[in-house]
Amino acid sequence: AQSVTQPDIHITVSEGASLELRCNYSYGATPYLFWYVQSPGQGLQLLLKYFSGDTLVQGIKGFEAEFKRSQSSFNLRKPSVHWSDAAEYFCAVAPLSGTYKYIFGTGTRLKVLA
Amino acid sequence: ETGVTQTPRHLVMGMTNKKSLKCEQHLGHNAMYWYKQSAKKPLELMFVYNFKEQTENNSVPSRFSPECPNSSHLFLHLHTLQPEDSALYLCASSQEGRAEAFFGQGTRLTVV
Repeated sequence: AQSVTQPDIHITVSEGASLELRCNYSYGATPYLFWYVQSPGQGLQLLLKYFSGDTLVQGIKGFEAEFKRSQSSFNLRKPSVHWSDAAEYFCAVAPLSGTYKYIFGTGTRLKVLA
Repeated sequence: ETGVTQTPRHLVMGMTNKKSLKCEQHLGHNAMYWYKQSAKKPLELMFVYNFKEQTENNSVPSRFSPECPNSSHLFLHLHTLQPEDSALYLCASSQEGRAEAFFGQGTRLTVV
């Protein structure tokens, strides 16, 4: 079955610390991969995406993610977290062609300590 | 401004009411989506429209009725809902050939 797993429901880090959010997927073939961020009461904003090529992708707000095919993972990282990064983060996959039926993980809620 | 606008932002309705959610995208995209976001559950894809044609109905109960009059507008008509239908309903759009979706801010629906 196709699925996306985000094993950490909640993560708390101190401001200035590094961050890594985990994402694993189960899919028939390598899909498109995304990370979205959702602030309270808001919709989802695209942070970054991976289609092909370089497995380390850069996104907005200083985030990056690394695709590891052997581990079916697409972990999100940030070297130094800011208080404004507190939000919920969603990993998602979509097929390479046809209707883009996104499959989302359950999300990781990030809390940032001052 | 994400380019995808949803109205209303909040809606409280009784189980016997009929209401509609509206979504408008200003991005020139040809595909539009409805998602349901409930607490502690992954976002659930409800409907997909591609060039105004419904291409996906993810086993959604008939009390939810989508309408896509053109590529820029998407509606979700609601009637005789249940309390468990209370959730954040998100609209999204994308362009054929480009997989990334752009989301609206959602409508927070409460069924009483």
